[in-house]
Amino acid sequence: RKEVEQDPGPFNVPEGATVAFNCTYSNSASQSFFWYRQDCRKEPKLLMSVYSSGNEDGRFTAQLNRASQYISLLIRDSKLSDSATYLCVVTNQAGTALIFGKGTTLSVSS
Amino acid sequence: EAGVAQSPRYKIIEKRQSVAFWCNPISGHATLYWYQQILGQGPKLLIQFQNNGVVDDSQLPKDRFSAERLKGVDSTLKIQPAKLEDSAVYLCASSLVGHGNTEAFFGQGTRLTVV
Repeated sequence: RKEVEQDPGPFNVPEGATVAFNCTYSNSASQSFFWYRQDCRKEPKLLMSVYSSGNEDGRFTAQLNRASQYISLLIRDSKLSDSATYLCVVTNQAGTALIFGKGTTLSVSS
Repeated sequence: EAGVAQSPRYKIIEKRQSVAFWCNPISGHATLYWYQQILGQGPKLLIQFQNNGVVDDSQLPKDRFSAERLKGVDSTLKIQPAKLEDSAVYLCASSLVGHGNTEAFFGQGTRLTVV
């Protein structure tokens, strides 16, 4: 089983749509969780951290279920500028480095 | 604030040749990472430094890859000899401390093509 698994994608949605990405991780000892965004041919950048209580940043909501080892990202009112690859990220067992999923590609069209 | 600097941006070499990549992290960042990102995949950790010491190099193919971080600042990653499957983007990242709950900042990467 891979350490971090994400929805295969790609997701093609119209502007204004709500889209959800799911992610599962295998190491129950992982302590920190993130979503990174990577634009085409660019470097990954932190989108948001994910907390057990859930957290929201504008149109973006992240949820964590430790019991199920499941992370989600919800994007409401999608914009053209949201088109990118979204990477689910967890820390390694030592808690010192980031383990990335394969990424899910989102394409928002007008 | 200057970001993570990497060079070169692009490199094309023949298989069995050698290549080196350079990274200058954000000033004051103790932790430096090298990741390999193959097309269509997420970044894969190759090696992590804390200052000038290696924290994790468990996924570094040590028969052909080497990395160093002299003086705890700049770092170089070398491949010798290169194989076709080494074609990828090599990303350097840095963070303030070595805990995973601090943000990692990435450089623009070096795109390596092995022919």
